[in-house]
Amino acid sequence: DIQMTQSPSSVSASVGDRVTITCRASQGISNWLAWYQQKPGKAPTLLIVAASSLQSGVPSRFSGSGSGTDFTLTISSLQPEDFATYFCQQANSLPFTFGPGTKVDFK
Amino acid sequence: EVQLVESGGGLLQPGRSLRLSCVVSGFKFDKFAMHWVRQVPGKGLEWVSGISFNSGAIAYGDSVKGRFTISRDNAKDTLYLQMNSVRTEDTALYYCAKDTRGWVSSPNWFDSWGQGTLVTVSS
Repeated sequence: DIQMTQSPSSVSASVGDRVTITCRASQGISNWLAWYQQKPGKAPTLLIVAASSLQSGVPSRFSGSGSGTDFTLTISSLQPEDFATYFCQQANSLPFTFGPGTKVDFK
Repeated sequence: EVQLVESGGGLLQPGRSLRLSCVVSGFKFDKFAMHWVRQVPGKGLEWVSGISFNSGAIAYGDSVKGRFTISRDNAKDTLYLQMNSVRTEDTALYYCAKDTRGWVSSPNWFDSWGQGTLVTVSS
């Protein structure tokens, strides 16, 4: 199975900050990576697919990049509604696997 | 509006069986693959199983293979997960999730999720 890691596990930030989250795959997955956002008590929502393609309705302050084994999710200017946990997911091969998550909370 | 509503969770003892259901609306169910993803509250996400639009392709995670069975009834817009020989480590919130595509073959991403149904396995 492909193992996914994320760093940092948590980040404290303020509104307006630029936040970058890293996701790493244990083997190359091309660009078959998705990012999800999850707020407390809610189901995850899909933000980005194919490493950098923003889902419809997702604000443009979110962006993704990377290929192979290393990927990043960037929030260019953190907004109050962005405080949440973010997960990456590899879609390269079965079984699909998720990273452990990165919690973005208030500084 | 896309809606997925899970049901069937509950408290059960190790070794017993349970069937989860997920009724969907707001999209053409018979066009998309569907998945079950679970999450221990406060922890990470684990993909459990996926089924293609026509049930022609099915896959399972290693931890449930041989114990869980995924199925769907396209006439009823319903996804199922039959859980047999449950273990304490199966305790989690179980989400059903809609795929963006029809087949369970990479890439698969999950663009709509239900609110989950909680399964607790304890003696």
